[in-house]
Amino acid sequence: GAVVSQHPSRVICKSGTSVKIECRSLDFQATTMFWYRQFPKKSLMLMATSNEGSKATYEQGVEKDKFLINHASLTLSTLTVTSAHPEDSSFYICSAPTSSEQFFGPGTRLTVL
Amino acid sequence: KQEVTQIPAALSVPEGENLVLNCSFTDSAIYNLQWFRQDPGKGLTSLLLIQSSQREQTSGRLNASLDKSSGRSTLYIAASQPGDSATYLCAVVKTSYDKVIFGPGTSLSVIP
Repeated sequence: GAVVSQHPSRVICKSGTSVKIECRSLDFQATTMFWYRQFPKKSLMLMATSNEGSKATYEQGVEKDKFLINHASLTLSTLTVTSAHPEDSSFYICSAPTSSEQFFGPGTRLTVL
Repeated sequence: KQEVTQIPAALSVPEGENLVLNCSFTDSAIYNLQWFRQDPGKGLTSLLLIQSSQREQTSGRLNASLDKSSGRSTLYIAASQPGDSATYLCAVVKTSYDKVIFGPGTSLSVIP
């Protein structure tokens, strides 16, 4: 099946710094990608929809100025957590849909000290 | 608004037992339903995907059924093994390019 990669897989940063997470569709093009967040012992919650060539759509309660999304090409979407704080520590997963199903990246574990 | 629930929230069984995990969704207008496995601290592993026109899918010891009209799906695991211990997530999409809505998951522990 199709492959979606994420980089980095794990990042530890100091409070106040910005962290960029990349999501790539390796063997197909994706005009839309989705970003999810998972807190410990919780399920995955949609944060935003990334659209190639236009602005991202954010879910209610997600700060668009804090979580910057750029869909730079048909195979790459980036999520930048700006001025990260300990409460942003979470597991971030992206996905990209095809006509048959959705494919998920392996996730990025963010720890903010 | 689509909501997905899963019962039970947690389950502990002795090795060898057959078990059933339940998933319910409020809006029957789905494109497909997918079952995932997630090990602690890890990403998602897709187990079975059922298209809206299908009734069930099987892979090895796993069998997933779908009753779209009643908004229900079950994941049947035969002859459970300790290696099956993980969290199982049910998820639905409304259209092929839409966001995925996840259930809260069932945490399974299979005791040797």
